[in-house]
Amino acid sequence: GAGVSQSPSNKVTEKGKDVELRCDPISGHTALYWYRQRLGQGLEFLIYFQGNSAPDKSGLPSDRFSAERTGESVSTLTIQRTQQEDSAVYLCASRPDSSEKLFFGSGTQLSVL
Amino acid sequence: SQQGEEDPQALSIQEGENATMNCSYKTSINNLQWYRQNSGRGLVHLILIRSNEREKHSGRLRVTLDTSKKSSSLLITASRAADTASYFCATEGTSGTYKYIFGTGTRLKVLA
Repeated sequence: GAGVSQSPSNKVTEKGKDVELRCDPISGHTALYWYRQRLGQGLEFLIYFQGNSAPDKSGLPSDRFSAERTGESVSTLTIQRTQQEDSAVYLCASRPDSSEKLFFGSGTQLSVL
Repeated sequence: SQQGEEDPQALSIQEGENATMNCSYKTSINNLQWYRQNSGRGLVHLILIRSNEREKHSGRLRVTLDTSKKSSSLLITASRAADTASYFCATEGTSGTYKYIFGTGTRLKVLA
């Protein structure tokens, strides 16, 4: 596709359930980022993948959060035992080696009831 | 933790006026970028300024950077209703890791 694709666009889940959020970066982009944005707030850095290097997981808020990336393609952010405070928009971005510019997807709105 | 703090948090102006928003950060940076977000979803890159630059222009946008004060400003001239959005600064530290930390954002409303 032409841009970063995230799915689902909206997810409603019950407290305690696990959720998986998917990000398809732009083809050829080696770097991939996940951010969380609570309502009316700024973006919180969660995790960053760069090629085959070990990911920077310094922003993951708890061990309930994990993310994987297969090579330089799809990434999945998993939240286990969801809590109401996990409700937010989860944004994915990718970046090519040749640029510092981030390209964002439209995000997944997660609502935990 | 967030690197950037932006002010004002919200700004309301009339169409045709200029809008200025500011970003302050805490540690040394390689570059600073500004992004725009419509309707709380995906962000779009506007402009990048490197640590050795003081001012940069792109169309109706002007960005300044003062590394001694650890601050940047974004000026939008001759604003339009379509400029209504949230604007965020993002900084990359000097460690060379390409890890970008975003500020808290300024919500701009341009009244027609």
